[in-house]
Amino acid sequence: DAKTTQPPSMDCAEGRAANLPCNHSTISGNEYVYWYRQIHSQGPQYIIHGLKNNETNEMASLIITEDRKSSTLILPHATLRDTAVYYCIVRVAGGSNYKLTFGKGTLLTVNP
Amino acid sequence: GAVVSQHPSWVICKSGTSVKIECRSLDFQATTMFWYRQFPKQSLMLMATSNEGSKATYEQGVEKDKFLINHASLTLSTLTVTSAHPEDSSFYICSAKFGTTLEQFFGPGTRLTVL
Repeated sequence: DAKTTQPPSMDCAEGRAANLPCNHSTISGNEYVYWYRQIHSQGPQYIIHGLKNNETNEMASLIITEDRKSSTLILPHATLRDTAVYYCIVRVAGGSNYKLTFGKGTLLTVNP
Repeated sequence: GAVVSQHPSWVICKSGTSVKIECRSLDFQATTMFWYRQFPKQSLMLMATSNEGSKATYEQGVEKDKFLINHASLTLSTLTVTSAHPEDSSFYICSAKFGTTLEQFFGPGTRLTVL
């Protein structure tokens, strides 16, 4: 799976949009971009994933650049409960490799 | 839907004893379960992958005789830390998936402290 690079930490004001970047310049054509988050002392939580089109769900939006070398996770109205470590993971779809490889992620701190 | 539970949520044990951690998929049949370990201020590290009814596949560097994994049913996997030592103290997290879906659903984790 391709390697990802994320800033170690970010701050965001409550109620504002949080934009979390991820660089995956070596991504292959058959690799998806996944985002998970982990609130302190809890298990990770799935947020969203995409291949090349932008995606949106009830939690967040995922914007993938046209060359697919980077992406941005957007939390449109961050709340204090969104404070967590956010992991960007690139992985191949299909086959028998279902493993997730977690990097260090970005610690997002939402401030009141 | 897609809820995964773990039991216990935390455990303290003496060095040399064995500890069993359970991972259950509550509302789906988990064809594959994963076990991760997370040390303080570090990321999750995959320990092993288990498919129902077959032996677990361990990641490089993980001792299979120390970390026994049993996936006897489609809703239950257990991780037994044998002869635990203080360096085994960690946050153990399981996840589960069903069918050919890629998404993994994570449990809340188990905090193990070995004295």
